[in-house]
Amino acid sequence: GDSVTQMEGPVTLSEEAFLTINCTYTATGYPSLFWYVQYPGEGLQLLLKATKADDKGSNKGFEATYRKETTSFHLEKGSVQVSDSAVYFCALGDSGAGSYQLTFGKGTKLSVIP
Amino acid sequence: EAQVTQNPRYLITVTGKKLTVTCSQNMNHEYMSWYRQDPGLGLRQIYYSMNVEVTDKGDVPEGYKVSRKEKRNFPLILESPSPNQTSLYFCASSFRAGNTIYFGEGSWLTVV
Repeated sequence: GDSVTQMEGPVTLSEEAFLTINCTYTATGYPSLFWYVQYPGEGLQLLLKATKADDKGSNKGFEATYRKETTSFHLEKGSVQVSDSAVYFCALGDSGAGSYQLTFGKGTKLSVIP
Repeated sequence: EAQVTQNPRYLITVTGKKLTVTCSQNMNHEYMSWYRQDPGLGLRQIYYSMNVEVTDKGDVPEGYKVSRKEKRNFPLILESPSPNQTSLYFCASSFRAGNTIYFGEGSWLTVV
């Protein structure tokens, strides 16, 4: 079945540091890939997505590129802020015969300190 | 305002007492789903629905039931809750499968 593996946390960075959160996947079809963010006490919000190979998703300074050859979708941000502290989930959406499942990674907690 | 609404947000119940967590969306979305979030396990899909009267099992359906009698509602039913169902539950919806998914705010359920 489909699966998503993302780097274990927690990750602690100083403000303005460079962020990378690794995400790799296995899938039988041609999935869409997503990054979701969960701020403390809140539900999940879509951060960015990519629907086909070589697509780059971007939002709020975050970027991720869909790499089919390495089955990866790593999240990056050039300069993090304290307000980026949250849990980040990589997810894969895969369609089958009349079905659609969204599979999440285990999440990576990011803490940004001033 | 477009939203996914879950109720109750917080519930403590006893083993074996049937309960229902309601989920309603006002965006005319076809696709709805339920997830549970547990520490170290991330989010796992319980059930999903591609449209009215069409439901299917996710990764962890045991102990849960769902129904989709109308487009806007997708209740999650725990017929006989057990302590291992203590978790944070999220309902989600999207216009169609594959589109951006919108999540509710979550329901904290404790079974004692």
